[in-house]
Amino acid sequence: DIQMTQSPSSLSASVGDRVTITCRASQRITSYLNWYQQKPGEAPKLLIYVASILQGGVPTRFSGSGSGTEFTLTISSLQPEDFATYYCQQSYSTPFTFGQGTKLEIK
Amino acid sequence: QVTLRESGPALVKPTQTLTLTCTFSGFSLTTTRMCVSWLRQPPGKALEWLARIDWDDDKYYSTSLKTRLTISKDTSKNQVVLTMTNTDPVDTATYYCARTLPYVSGGYYVYYMDVWGKGTTVTVSS
Repeated sequence: DIQMTQSPSSLSASVGDRVTITCRASQRITSYLNWYQQKPGEAPKLLIYVASILQGGVPTRFSGSGSGTEFTLTISSLQPEDFATYYCQQSYSTPFTFGQGTKLEIK
Repeated sequence: QVTLRESGPALVKPTQTLTLTCTFSGFSLTTTRMCVSWLRQPPGKALEWLARIDWDDDKYYSTSLKTRLTISKDTSKNQVVLTMTNTDPVDTATYYCARTLPYVSGGYYVYYMDVWGKGTTVTVSS
């Protein structure tokens, strides 16, 4: 199975900050990487697929980049509603696997 | 509008078989390349993908759970069913189903889970 590792595991930031979350795969996965946001008590929500394609309705302050084994999710200017946990997930091969999550908290 | 809803028992005893149903609307599993996945999330832990069933009845499973899982579909009812045998307290989790769509990239199909159900919480305890 492909292992996905996110860093950091948690992050404190302020409204308006620029934030970057990194996801690394244990082997090359080209651009087959998706990002999800999950708020407490809610189901995950798709933010970005195929590394950089923004899902419809997702604010443009979210962006994704990377290929191969290293990927990033960037939030350009944090809004209060962005404080949540973020997960990366590889779709290069089954079984699909997720990172352990990055919890973004208010500083 | 695409919706999915998970249903099943809230409590099962260890060693029992757990059966979960995902009832969906707004799409059909007879559409080429359409898929549905099951996932779970133990309390306070990360997401875990469990299984996927495709429009052509191909099935894929978690490596660690494949001997205990069976996924099936009933296209006439717009349902996908997941069964898990020999449950254990570590299977306590919120279980989600999600529509799984392909994106064509360089001649390959790259799948992503675009719409999720709200989840159903299952506790395994005697």
